[in-house]
Amino acid sequence: KAGVTQTPRYLIKTRGQQVTLSCSPISGHRSVSWYQQTPGQGLQFLFEYFSETQRNKGNFPGRFSGRQFSNSRSEMNVSTLELGDSALYLCASGLSGTYEQYFGPGTRLTVT
Amino acid sequence: GENVEQHPSTLSVQEGDSAVIKCTYSDSASNYFPWYKQELGKRPQLIIDIRSNVGEKKDQRIAVTLNKTAKHFSLHITETQPEDSAVYFCAASRNDGTGGGADGLTFGKGTHLIIQP
Repeated sequence: KAGVTQTPRYLIKTRGQQVTLSCSPISGHRSVSWYQQTPGQGLQFLFEYFSETQRNKGNFPGRFSGRQFSNSRSEMNVSTLELGDSALYLCASGLSGTYEQYFGPGTRLTVT
Repeated sequence: GENVEQHPSTLSVQEGDSAVIKCTYSDSASNYFPWYKQELGKRPQLIIDIRSNVGEKKDQRIAVTLNKTAKHFSLHITETQPEDSAVYFCAASRNDGTGGGADGLTFGKGTHLIIQP
């Protein structure tokens, strides 16, 4: 079974622009969570989607948003990019009835 | 919200020796405690986890213990090998068994484990 995939793997954007990242979960997984990883702050929870509904949101500004489609694929959007948004963005998927979450390879976003 | 503290930040051990990484959490409602291993440039990989109704779990050379009263849990790696070198993250969450956390995973800051030959 294929693992979690994320596209693109690398992205360079300029301050003020917006960006959309995509995550395809493991087949059959309906829960998709997004995390930001930086050297200073570590791994931080952004939000989680289950059956197209955002269930939980971490402590990030409204510039960070997401959505989930009926096939469980999820997108994350960051508007008005700031230098501090440079990070590795990871998504993780989970299967109903279980507790485990499995991560994708991440999208490395660099804001210049 | 939940807060997870992880120690040490760096751990260097001789190949063949044991390594122990410790974490504490603050939210008594947390019920799921996974450990992830992240090699340089790669994704975090789930290596073992434990639920709050269990005190200890073992998988070959890796074991995790949980003390709910003290709100701490530990990762034990025995007979360390060079391929164990990586950054290890502990995490905690209030999981509802739907494949995701009730409020996401809260991670510790990570432990860089170095296996000396």
